[in-house]
Amino acid sequence: NAGVMQNPRHLVRRRGQEARLRCSPMKGHSHVYWYRQLPEEGLKFMVYLQKENIIDESGMPKERFSAEFPKEGPSILRIQQVVRGDSAAYFCASSDGTEAFFGQGTRLTVV
Amino acid sequence: TQLLEQSPQFLSIQEGENLTVYCNSSSVFSSLQWYRQEPGEGPVLLVTVVTGGEVKKLKRLTFQFGDARKDSSLHITAAQPGDTGLYLCAGGRGAQKLVFGQGTRLTINP
Repeated sequence: NAGVMQNPRHLVRRRGQEARLRCSPMKGHSHVYWYRQLPEEGLKFMVYLQKENIIDESGMPKERFSAEFPKEGPSILRIQQVVRGDSAAYFCASSDGTEAFFGQGTRLTVV
Repeated sequence: TQLLEQSPQFLSIQEGENLTVYCNSSSVFSSLQWYRQEPGEGPVLLVTVVTGGEVKKLKRLTFQFGDARKDSSLHITAAQPGDTGLYLCAGGRGAQKLVFGQGTRLTINP
């Protein structure tokens, strides 16, 4: 859905670098979700945030991954010290609490 | 752990034929959503069903939610090449923490 904006669309990082993925939700939406899609697999839930709060991070790896949704500005998914296994499409979705609308994703490639 | 299984995983048919895609689980979901995803793009929401037995129609697409809210189906009538894509079902409570099926990759041949 064009209303959820993600950037960058494509991101290439060398092993050990940091990756920062940004997501601006649809206007009026205060709920943000991050999902990861590995090649030839379905989407897997990572984290659910509302403004300034992490509601559910049960799907996010305990190490190297973090997410925030500050009072002002986009939600950020941060991956530190990336490894080849982090290569995937990362999708952000936003909602008003009922239906989720997805952005176009950020395709992360770790070389 | 809630799981959603879609079948078939791949389907290739001729233009004009009808088809049905299934989404099954042993768990009950408060709501179920169907998405379509094009290569290189994000999933686009097609429909949300919330009531057991509910049927929703979107032009040539008919969506049904099982009476027990454990399964759903997507039926396409007179398929067209423009229907080609990856169809995903996702269950959850509203938009929260959606569980996705692995998808059905549909190809409609002219």
